[in-house]
Amino acid sequence: DAKTTQPTSMDCAEGRAANLPCNHSTISGNEYVYWYRQIHSQGPQYIIHGLKNNETNEMASLIITEDRKSSTLILPHATLRDTAVYYCIAYSYGGATNKLIFGTGTLLAVQP
Amino acid sequence: EPEVTQTPSHQVTQMGQEVILRCVPISNHLYFYWYRQILGQKVEFLVSFYNNEISEKSEIFDDQFSVERPDGSNFTLKIRSTKLEDSAMYFCATGPSNTGELFFGEGSRLTVL
Repeated sequence: DAKTTQPTSMDCAEGRAANLPCNHSTISGNEYVYWYRQIHSQGPQYIIHGLKNNETNEMASLIITEDRKSSTLILPHATLRDTAVYYCIAYSYGGATNKLIFGTGTLLAVQP
Repeated sequence: EPEVTQTPSHQVTQMGQEVILRCVPISNHLYFYWYRQILGQKVEFLVSFYNNEISEKSEIFDDQFSVERPDGSNFTLKIRSTKLEDSAMYFCATGPSNTGELFFGEGSRLTVL
């Protein structure tokens, strides 16, 4: 499994865009970049995933660099309820290790 | 929106007792997982289950742990003789969806006294 690295914590002002970076320089060609978040001690919540094209859904946008060595999760208008730990995970369904491996993630604190 | 349901939400037990945690996966999902999270620590993989058998397990998943799908719908995690260090949140996850993601339940908090 490709290892990802994320900043330990970030702050963001309410209403502003939150940009969460992730490095995955050893990602393999068939691994997707997945983002999950965990609010307090709740179950991890899926946000978005992508392979090499940028993706957008109702929650967020995912920007993946052309060389796929890094990506950025963008929450366009952060709210207080977006305060959570955000996990960037390289994962391939049906791959040799068919499981999500969670790192320590980025604690995003949205400030009023 | 379909969801993964876990019961109980919180269980308190005495050391040495057996505990069974239950999960109702999303129908038509093929892979089932258990994860745990000790307070203040990372979410850790325990075991994956596919086609009615364990497909992978971590070092944490020792002989005290077992999983099964007793009735084709529920997915259970059994801890035979609980230890203090088993106190944690246990999350069930199922998938993949038709777009590839795994869905997690809200967790079962286990407290071993």
